[in-house]
Amino acid sequence: GQQLNQSPQSMFIQEGEDVSMNCTSSSIFNTWLWYKQDPGEGPVLLIALYKAGELTSNGRLTAQFGITRKDSFLNISASIPSDVGIYFCAGGKANAGGTSYGKLTFGQGTILTVHP
Amino acid sequence: NAGVMQNPRHLVRRRGQEARLRCSPMKGHSHVYWYRQLPEEGLKFMVYLQKENIIDESGMPKERFSAEFPKEGPSILRIQQVVRGDSAAYFCASEGDAGELFFGEGSRLTVL
Repeated sequence: GQQLNQSPQSMFIQEGEDVSMNCTSSSIFNTWLWYKQDPGEGPVLLIALYKAGELTSNGRLTAQFGITRKDSFLNISASIPSDVGIYFCAGGKANAGGTSYGKLTFGQGTILTVHP
Repeated sequence: NAGVMQNPRHLVRRRGQEARLRCSPMKGHSHVYWYRQLPEEGLKFMVYLQKENIIDESGMPKERFSAEFPKEGPSILRIQQVVRGDSAAYFCASEGDAGELFFGEGSRLTVL
């Protein structure tokens, strides 16, 4: 089946540092999404990307949809302790009718630890 | 999370018992997705349902697993004769207008 390779697997950073993580795939996706999951909770949508080359920001978060449609990255600037959690990328493909479709392929996750 | 309601949050079953997980999507939504997350892994698609109709069940194990979304009431994911390997978090999601998914808090199944 399709696989997304997400890296790094884990990161340990100091508060205030910037963070970068990325996902790559051997196949093309029409949408890229980034989620954050806290322990015992469901994934929360951070940023959604719908167009190749698109660069989108949400506060301190910035994500880009790669030109080849096979990759995406997420940057977090000036990290704070509450950024701790697991970050997942997810790729989506349109169905035969060309409409959006919520069948997503998820990466393995990046575990972020922020030291105060 | 964004109005998707799942219950129970935690469920413990012994091997061979049945597990039933329920999901109510966001208000006004008639589609639900079920995903499974094994410990320390990403989420994996299981099934996509509309009211009274299964659209895509390509991620569902062929045996023991079934899902429904009746005209009235929540969507139900049913696992018969559970085994230890079924222990996981099961998430339900509603779909936004642009295809993004909004997940519930999940149901965590532990099989003893």
